Amino acid sequence: EIVLTQSPGTLSLSPGERATLSCRASQSVSGSYLAWYQQKPGQTPRLLIYATSTRATGIPDRFSGSGSGTDFTLTINRLEPEDFALYYCQQYLRSPITFGQGTRLEIK
Amino acid sequence: EVKLLESGGGLVQPGGSLRLSCAASGFTFSGYAMSWVRQAPGKGLEWVSGINDAGGSTYYGDSVKGRFTISRDNSKYTLSLQMDNLRAEDSAVYYCATHPFALWWGQGTLVTVSS
Repeated sequence: EIVLTQSPGTLSLSPGERATLSCRASQSVSGSYLAWYQQKPGQTPRLLIYATSTRATGIPDRFSGSGSGTDFTLTINRLEPEDFALYYCQQYLRSPITFGQGTRLEIK
Repeated sequence: EVKLLESGGGLVQPGGSLRLSCAASGFTFSGYAMSWVRQAPGKGLEWVSGINDAGGSTYYGDSVKGRFTISRDNSKYTLSLQMDNLRAEDSAVYYCATHPFALWWGQGTLVTVSS
């Protein structure tokens, strides 16, 4: 199976700063079959990005995804207070579908 | 408005069975592949199983293969997960979602496997 490793485990930043979250795959995720989700405490996950860089409906343009092969990045520009949450990457190139272990974005 | 409403969770003893259901509305259910994704308390997301739009192809994670069965009834807009031979490590909130990436999620149903 494709193992996804997210880094850092926890990222401490202030509102207004830029967040860069990394997702590294154990094998190439060709075809851009990678998604990103946001989850806030007590809430259901929400799709942010699919196909590596396509924003889901209603997602602000301060969220962007990039990458290829085995290295992918979620960038959040100008952090808003509501952006502090847990973020997961997911590959759907090959079954079994797998998620990364998550990156917690916390307020510094 | 898209809605996915899971039901069927609860407390079950190890080795027991449970059947989860997901009632879909607000979209053309037969046009979407669907998945079950679970999340143990305080843990990350784990994909469990998927099924294509027509129901003819099914997919399972290694941890549930041979114990869980996914199915769907497009006429009733319903997705199901039959869970047999349950183990303590199957305890989690189970979400119904689209496949292969989760465009929409349900609110989840809690499954607790304990004696």
